[in-house]
Amino acid sequence: EAGVTQFPSHSVIEKGQTVTLRCDPISGHDNLYWYRRVMGKEIKFLLHFVKESKQDESGMPNNRFLAERTGGTYSTLKVQPAELEDSGVYFCASSLNLAKNIQYFGAGTRLSVL
Amino acid sequence: GESVGLHLPTLSVQEGDNSIINCAYSNSASDYFIWYKQESGKGPQFIIDIRSNMDKRQGQRVTVLLNKTVKHLSLQIAATQPGDSAVYFCAEQYNTGKLIFGQGTTLQVKP
Repeated sequence: EAGVTQFPSHSVIEKGQTVTLRCDPISGHDNLYWYRRVMGKEIKFLLHFVKESKQDESGMPNNRFLAERTGGTYSTLKVQPAELEDSGVYFCASSLNLAKNIQYFGAGTRLSVL
Repeated sequence: GESVGLHLPTLSVQEGDNSIINCAYSNSASDYFIWYKQESGKGPQFIIDIRSNMDKRQGQRVTVLLNKTVKHLSLQIAATQPGDSAVYFCAEQYNTGKLIFGQGTTLQVKP
């Protein structure tokens, strides 16, 4: 069974540009989470989807970040316009349901904003 | 707000020795904790979990201890191997699944 996949693995963009990150969860997993780790600090929660609905987006930094999960399968996280402080590693995780909520993480997308 | 923290950013141990990685949390209502291992170039990987109604849980070569009185948990790795070299995170998991991570301890295993 394929795990959580994310792409690109690395993105280098200039300040002010737009970047879209994609996450493909494990097939059948209703829950999808986005996290990010900035500057070697702790991994921080961004948001949580249950199927196509945003369950909790309390961790989204500001309105430059937009996450979608159309159809309840893969998810995208768009940053527009990107700022220097957005640099970091963005992780996606998925879990089957809240009763069996071990989260399986992707390898992450390293975003570098220059 | 709630926080989960680790005591040491880096821990260096000799191969074959036991490793102990510590973590403190601030929310006394926290009831579910998880340890993750992150190897270079990979995402965090679940190692072991513990609920607040337990004070100890054992896995294969790993043990997690929870002390609710002082709000402290630890991860013990027996007979540490080179493959154990990684960054270890403790995390609190909410009922919604949201994870609150600590900052991570880098475990270096010397041959």
